[in-house]
Amino acid sequence: GDSVTQMEGPVTLSEEAFLTINCTYTATGYPSLFWYVQYPGEGLQLLLKATKADDKGSNKGFEATYRKETTSFHLEKGSVQVSDSAVYFCALSGGNQGGKLIFGQGTELSVKP
Amino acid sequence: DTGVSQNPRHKITKRGQNVTFRCDPISEHNRLYWYRQTLGQGPEFLTYFQNEAQLEKSRLLSDRFSAERPKGSFSTLEIQRTEQGDSAMYLCASTRLPTATYNEQFFGPGTRLTVL
Repeated sequence: GDSVTQMEGPVTLSEEAFLTINCTYTATGYPSLFWYVQYPGEGLQLLLKATKADDKGSNKGFEATYRKETTSFHLEKGSVQVSDSAVYFCALSGGNQGGKLIFGQGTELSVKP
Repeated sequence: DTGVSQNPRHKITKRGQNVTFRCDPISEHNRLYWYRQTLGQGPEFLTYFQNEAQLEKSRLLSDRFSAERPKGSFSTLEIQRTEQGDSAMYLCASTRLPTATYNEQFFGPGTRLTVL
């Protein structure tokens, strides 16, 4: 079945460092891809999305490009802030699967001042 | 605040007891999903509703679990004869379809269940 694999955390960075969180997926058909973020004590929030190959999703300085050839959707940010400390989840939604989301295991990011 | 609410936020119960959780989605959303999240893992799909119809149930949803959405608005998730393995965060999400080619789901804050 469909699945998502993320790099393991925790990831600890200094403020203003470059961030990459790797995400690869396995899916039949052409899924939509998402990054969700969970800040401490809060619920899951959609960070960005991409619906077809070569689409780039972006929000709040974060970017991810839908790479069909490598089945990847890596999350990047050029300069992280302390406020970016959270758990990040990569997810996919298959075209004919009722819209349910399949999540990776999450990557915890801690940004130090 | 995404507009999806869940109650209670925390529930502590003893093994063998029944528990019920409630989810109130965004009012115009016709699809409602339930997920379960254990510590250190991503959410796992349990079931979903289109209006009042339950269209899919995961194999994770044993016979002890039942979900309803009687009027196509709020939903309840009941767990009978709870077991310690049921301890988890139970998440509800909603969306309105058909909209675009993707499916942006709005998540509630979750109900954390602890089974002693």
